[in-house]
Amino acid sequence: GAGVSQSPSNKVTEKGKDVELRCDPISGHTALYWYRQRLGQGLEFLIYFQGNSAPDKSGLPSDRFSAERTGESVSTLTIQRTQQEDSAVYLCASSLVSYREQFFGPGTRLTVL
Amino acid sequence: AQSVSQHNHHVILSEAASLELGCNYSYGGTVNLFWYVQYPGQHLQLLLKYFSGDPLVKGIKGFEAEFIKSKFSFNLRKPSVQWSDTAEYFCAVNDYRDDKIIFGKGTRLHILP
Repeated sequence: GAGVSQSPSNKVTEKGKDVELRCDPISGHTALYWYRQRLGQGLEFLIYFQGNSAPDKSGLPSDRFSAERTGESVSTLTIQRTQQEDSAVYLCASSLVSYREQFFGPGTRLTVL
Repeated sequence: AQSVSQHNHHVILSEAASLELGCNYSYGGTVNLFWYVQYPGQHLQLLLKYFSGDPLVKGIKGFEAEFIKSKFSFNLRKPSVQWSDTAEYFCAVNDYRDDKIIFGKGTRLHILP
């Protein structure tokens, strides 16, 4: 497709379960970003990939959060032992190179019961 | 670390009113500057960007922004708003020290018909 896609669009899970969120960036984009957007809040940076490596993981809130990217394409964000405070919209963005404009996906709305 | 301040959290205007949304950043070196918009139910999308050159930048839908280096500001303006401009607006900055783009907390704009 032409844009960034994310799946699932909505995820409802029980506290303590693991979840995996997927992002397919625009083809050819080398940089990929994950953000979290809590209700009424701005965008919280989580992690950034350049190619398949993550030079900046500083935004990951805890060791329950991890992410990987393979084939300089798809990325997955995994949240282990989910907590209610993890409820948010998780946004993925890609850019041709790291400091240029980012193109955002529609997000995954995660609800932890 | 870079920080971005958007002073107005919620703005309500009538149609045809003029708009100015404030954005200030903290780092005084070379910066790339962005405004993104999120219309209800839609993805975040780029409104306009500044990398270099003319500090007055024109974007889509009649928006413009002015980079004033001495004031560390990149305010968004529109001379006459429309009901369809109702959205959330995010200012964002990249300062070349790293590859992150830092977002402000956003301004919710509500245009009364």
